[in-house]
Amino acid sequence: SQTIHQWPATLVQPVGSPLSLECTVEGTSNPNLYWYRQAAGRGLQLLFYSVGIGQISSEVPQNLSASRPQDRQFILSSKKLLLSDSGFYLCAWSTGGSYEQYFGPGTRLTVT
Amino acid sequence: TQLLEQSPQFLSIQEGENLTVYCNSSSVFSSLQWYRQEPGEGPVLLVTVVTGGEVKKLKRLTFQFGDARKDSSLHITAAQPGDTGLYLCAPIKAAGNKLTFGGGTRVLVKP
Repeated sequence: SQTIHQWPATLVQPVGSPLSLECTVEGTSNPNLYWYRQAAGRGLQLLFYSVGIGQISSEVPQNLSASRPQDRQFILSSKKLLLSDSGFYLCAWSTGGSYEQYFGPGTRLTVT
Repeated sequence: TQLLEQSPQFLSIQEGENLTVYCNSSSVFSSLQWYRQEPGEGPVLLVTVVTGGEVKKLKRLTFQFGDARKDSSLHITAAQPGDTGLYLCAPIKAAGNKLTFGGGTRVLVKP
């Protein structure tokens, strides 16, 4: 069966510090991968998605970036965090041609 | 840019009551998904509706896709505390790999 992992689960970082969030998927090959951010109690904002290794599409201009160094690994990064980067970050995967997305447990980021 | 609205934003009811939440858009979609998210967790897919006018039932949950495929509703009968969560709709356009999520409706079912 397929599983998706995210770490860390929670993170508190000062303004201006770097960020690296990791997402890995097991049990499937060549998944589509997604990074979302969610403000408290609200909907999901798509940040990045990837249909293959090294292929990243950015949905919103911001100080975040994403990379996909391996087929089932998706990384969200920032060189300098802003207060507005606080939120709940969710990684998700889907199979090619299917719109059903499977979400990870999320990372709660607080920028202080 | 499509306009996607979920209403109400928040709903608090007593156990046993019924509720309906709505997802409306100015665009036509090929299909639409509903997800439920519990606090501190990722969303989980409940259903995908594909055909205009389609009605799907999942135990006490009834999902309807509008005839024009621009809107959808979720009706919960005899709500239970376990139904508490954030309900998100995600319409799907014909092409592309990504979903657009609505702002969600937060449902609180009090025992």
